[in-house]
Amino acid sequence: GENVEQHPSTLSVQEGDSAVIKCTYSDSASNYFPWYKQELGKRPQLIIDIRSNVGEKKDQRIAVTLNKTAKHFSLHITETQPEDSAVYFCAASIPDDKLIFGTGTRLQVFP
Amino acid sequence: KAGVTQTPRYLIKTRGQQVTLSCSPISGHRSVSWYQQTPGQGLQFLFEYFSETQRNKGNFPGRFSGRQFSNSRSEMNVSTLELGDSALYLCASSLVSWQAYEQYFGPGTRLTVT
Repeated sequence: GENVEQHPSTLSVQEGDSAVIKCTYSDSASNYFPWYKQELGKRPQLIIDIRSNVGEKKDQRIAVTLNKTAKHFSLHITETQPEDSAVYFCAASIPDDKLIFGTGTRLQVFP
Repeated sequence: KAGVTQTPRYLIKTRGQQVTLSCSPISGHRSVSWYQQTPGQGLQFLFEYFSETQRNKGNFPGRFSGRQFSNSRSEMNVSTLELGDSALYLCASSLVSWQAYEQYFGPGTRLTVT
């Protein structure tokens, strides 16, 4: 079955710097890759997603890239702000199947 | 629109008991998915329901079951509770499918098994 590995488990950056979180998936049939942000004590929230027919997607300071050959995808956050501090989860799914999550990355942005 | 709601928010049960958790999706949403969140295992998919039918199932034992009603409200049941079932149980709703439309999470039910 599908397996998703996520690195790093923790990431500390200075405000204004960029942050990159990487995920690797195992099933080449995976076609949907969402990223969720979960602030402390709150529910996960979708921040961006990408499908296998697209290599990159941007939304303001957030971007996701997908490399289907290498089977990995990454979340890029530029100009980080303290409110970006949260746990970020990547996920992957094959068509009509379950959503498999990575183990999460705790991002801390220091002012 | 009201968001996804879950009841109860907190629950304490004893090993061997059973528990039923409830999830009310956003009005108009027909897909409801359930997830288990623990510090050690992260977020794990339990199952997804659409139009009262289970559409996908994660790798959990048969003690975990669910159902969906005609108004899209969903319940999940865990029988013969074990200590390892202590977790935050999240449900999420989507218009049709989380693959096609954004899914919105509820606040979760924190289950503690003693």
